[in-house]
Amino acid sequence: ETGVTQSPTHLIKTRGQQVTLRCSSQSGHNTVSWYQQALGQGPQFIFQYYREEENGRGNFPPRFSGLQFPNYSSELNVNALELDDSALYLCASSSRQEFHTQYFGPGTRLTVL
Amino acid sequence: KNEVEQSPQNLTAQEGEFITINCSYSVGISALHWLQQHPGGGIVSLFMLSSGKKKHGRLIATINIQEKHSSLHITASHPRDSAVYICAVPRGETSGSRLTFGEGTQLTVNP
Repeated sequence: ETGVTQSPTHLIKTRGQQVTLRCSSQSGHNTVSWYQQALGQGPQFIFQYYREEENGRGNFPPRFSGLQFPNYSSELNVNALELDDSALYLCASSSRQEFHTQYFGPGTRLTVL
Repeated sequence: KNEVEQSPQNLTAQEGEFITINCSYSVGISALHWLQQHPGGGIVSLFMLSSGKKKHGRLIATINIQEKHSSLHITASHPRDSAVYICAVPRGETSGSRLTFGEGTQLTVNP
C-alpha cells in the first residue's frame, strides 16, 4: 500500500481560473514529484521538490508552480488555466536513499471548461 | 523520437494467452520501471529492474541493457490483467530521479 494520497479526486474549473492540488507523501519520503498525464498519453514530468525546494523541472510554463511543506506534503498550483491543462495530475513520493522507487498517488482528474 | 517507446499501443487477447509488451529506450539508464495503471488513474509499480529478469506471480520482466530493450510478459492472462502498462526510466541520478514514461500499452483480456 503506497500511502500517498491526493486531493481532490476530481475537479472542474473554467479557463482563466486558478487551481491548487494537494499531495500527502508516504511516511519517511522527503521527495515529491508531480506529473501531468493527458488522455491517452504517458505522464509528463512537471517538477520535483526535495526538502521544500524545487529540485528539477520539466517543460512546463511558470504558471505551474509548487510548494513542499516541512511535513513533506506538497501542492501543485496552476494559474490562468487553459483547456489543454485538462489532465490527470499524479504525484509520486520517494526517499533519497531509494530515489529510483517512486510511489504514486491515485491522481487528481482536472477538467478545464 | 521519444526517449521511451512502447509497442504495441493496444493489445487485445483471449483469457489464457501469453502476452508480451515491449519497451525500447534511447538514453543510458541504470534501471527501468514497469508500471500498471487501471481505469481511474492510480499507478502501481510492478517491477524495477536493472539487469536480467524478475518474476512476480504471472508477470515476468526482462531487460537487456546493451540493446536498450525491456519486455513485460504475462503468462496465463486473465481479464483482471486488463489495464495500461507503462515502462518508465529514471533520469537524473544525482539531482533527484524523475521518470520519463512511455505512452503505455492498453491491454484488454477478454474472457
